[in-house]
Amino acid sequence: DVKVTQSSRYLVKRTGEKVFLECVQDMDHENMFWYRQDPGLGLRLIYFSYDVKMKEKGDIPEGYSVSREKKERFSLILESASTNQTSMYLCASARLYGYTFGSGTRLTVV
Amino acid sequence: KNEVEQSPQNLTAQEGEFITINCSYSVGISALHWLQQHPGGGIVSLFMLSSGKKKHGRLIATINIQEKHSSLHITASHPRDSAVYICAVATGNQFYFGTGTSLTVIP
Repeated sequence: DVKVTQSSRYLVKRTGEKVFLECVQDMDHENMFWYRQDPGLGLRLIYFSYDVKMKEKGDIPEGYSVSREKKERFSLILESASTNQTSMYLCASARLYGYTFGSGTRLTVV
Repeated sequence: KNEVEQSPQNLTAQEGEFITINCSYSVGISALHWLQQHPGGGIVSLFMLSSGKKKHGRLIATINIQEKHSSLHITASHPRDSAVYICAVATGNQFYFGTGTSLTVIP
């Protein structure tokens, strides 16, 4: 069964901490995405990647960075966590006609 | 900018009712996806459409490419259908999402 796995389901971090959210896919997909989901705002794209070592900004990249050193792994980094980054974070991988989400990481920044 | 618009935002139905959720989009697409997210759960893909209609159990999805519109229908709705339904369109390697329709089916 193909999967997109996010390393943590729930995470609580302090303001100012550096936070790593990990995502691994086993489908050999070139494209990987990081979204955040907030009530009333839906899914918003933070960053995406078409290939290893390649990244593109999405709609709301401020305060985030990403790393894709291997095809199967796409990491989202919060350089200095802030309370307004409390959210559900969803990773996805895709080909044009195949699109799979991870189960999400609910991050709370206190 | 809202490349994808869904309606209604919230929907409450009695068990057994026929339900329709609508999605309109403004970009040229290669495919449209309907996604389902149960409370506290992950997102699963229900349908991928590029034309016509698809059916899976009690769920039916249609798309009209000329009108840039898609509908998701649920026949004989059941409380376990309660979830958020999200329309997403694919253009090349980019995806745009609607804000979702929150469906509650009451027994």
